[in-house]
Amino acid sequence: KQEVTQIPAALSVPEGENLVLNCSFTDSAIYNLQWFRQDPGKGLTSLLLIQSSQREQTSGRLNASLDKSSGRSTLYIAASQPGDSATYLCAVVPFSGNTGKLIFGQGTTLQVKP
Amino acid sequence: ETGVTQTPRHLVMGMTNKKSLKCEQHLGHNAMYWYKQSAKKPLELMFVYSLEERVENNSVPSRFSPECPNSSHLFLHLHTLQPEDSALYLCASSLLDSPYGYTFGSGTRLTVV
Repeated sequence: KQEVTQIPAALSVPEGENLVLNCSFTDSAIYNLQWFRQDPGKGLTSLLLIQSSQREQTSGRLNASLDKSSGRSTLYIAASQPGDSATYLCAVVPFSGNTGKLIFGQGTTLQVKP
Repeated sequence: ETGVTQTPRHLVMGMTNKKSLKCEQHLGHNAMYWYKQSAKKPLELMFVYSLEERVENNSVPSRFSPECPNSSHLFLHLHTLQPEDSALYLCASSLLDSPYGYTFGSGTRLTVV
């Protein structure tokens, strides 16, 4: 059974720092890995999608990497800003079932202090 | 607006009530999903509809009843809920092939009293 784990559960940093969020998954048979952002009480916003054949994706100050063999992904946020404060969720689409369902981690709640 | 619209945004209902949550997408996606987000727990998949056919029911109690009349609309009918069903209910849609990029709605915050 696929399980997704995110470390740390919470993170507080001063503005301007570069930071790394970690995600691990137990089964490497995945279609892709996706990173989402969730603001309090809101839905999810897709940040980056890495297909299983890819190693990384970049969007602005965000860079996500994928190492399928070790079951790990990292989300790198450069020059963090208070507006980056949110919960960041990692999720994988497993091969099994082929329904496209996402298996989520519990998320990392990030606070960037001005 | 994300492209996936959920109504209502907030709902308070008694345990004997019947209510429905609505989700609508006009992104041309052919799969739709209901997820439940409870405090301190990962997002949990409830139902998957592929081309308007239910293809996955993740051991969800029968007091939750999904309906997908067409590829653009998805409902979640609720009846005789319990207080522990209080949660954020999120609808999402995607295309039914790789890379399975998702779009989520803003969710319905449900409180059962």
